[in-house]
Amino acid sequence: SAVISQKPSRDICQRGTSLTIQCQVDSQVTMMFWYRQQPGQSLTLIATANQGSEATYESGFVIDKFPISRPNLTFSTLTVSNMSPEDSSIYLCSAWTGANEQFFGPGTRLTVL
Amino acid sequence: RKEVEQDPGPFNVPEGATVAFNCTYSNSASQSFFWYRQDCRKEPKLLMSVYSSGNEDGRFTAQLNRASQYISLLIRDSKLSDSATYLCAVNANSGYALNFGKGTSLLVTP
Repeated sequence: SAVISQKPSRDICQRGTSLTIQCQVDSQVTMMFWYRQQPGQSLTLIATANQGSEATYESGFVIDKFPISRPNLTFSTLTVSNMSPEDSSIYLCSAWTGANEQFFGPGTRLTVL
Repeated sequence: RKEVEQDPGPFNVPEGATVAFNCTYSNSASQSFFWYRQDCRKEPKLLMSVYSSGNEDGRFTAQLNRASQYISLLIRDSKLSDSATYLCAVNANSGYALNFGKGTSLLVTP
């Protein structure tokens, strides 16, 4: 299994500002992903973080709003830009291990006022 | 039609009971299937992968029916600690990313 940490664990932000969430994996992994879980909902995939190239975004998510970096095989960041209250959610990083299993970080709980 | 659908429950069962959850998926090309457990305000934790021939892990049994495009999770001898939300996950577009169901809530009572 992989141990994944995220920072910050929670934040309260003003609308119009941006927040960058960091995700660190304790071992090198090929695939990393970012999900969002809104209150009472299931997880929705935002994008696949590709090492050394631009992230692959799912329908409804765009790079200008959710820029993602993945400088190496153990680290990724997600920025939530120009935030509005609708962006209030839990943001989760995940990593796909070589054993065909996907593990999640503890999540970042974001509240936008 | 949603990619992955689950009965949201809640399922309220007494300790020791057997409970089963089903999950249907729409993408016939999906190859990987999983059950996750999510406790309140926590991240999902992998409970078990689901293999074509079915698989068992202690009190938990997972099965896959490709023809009908559903997977199931059976929990025997329920414990109070089994109370959680159980999420079904299916790989998206034959890749590694996952589509999740909304989850089924289970409450095991004394």
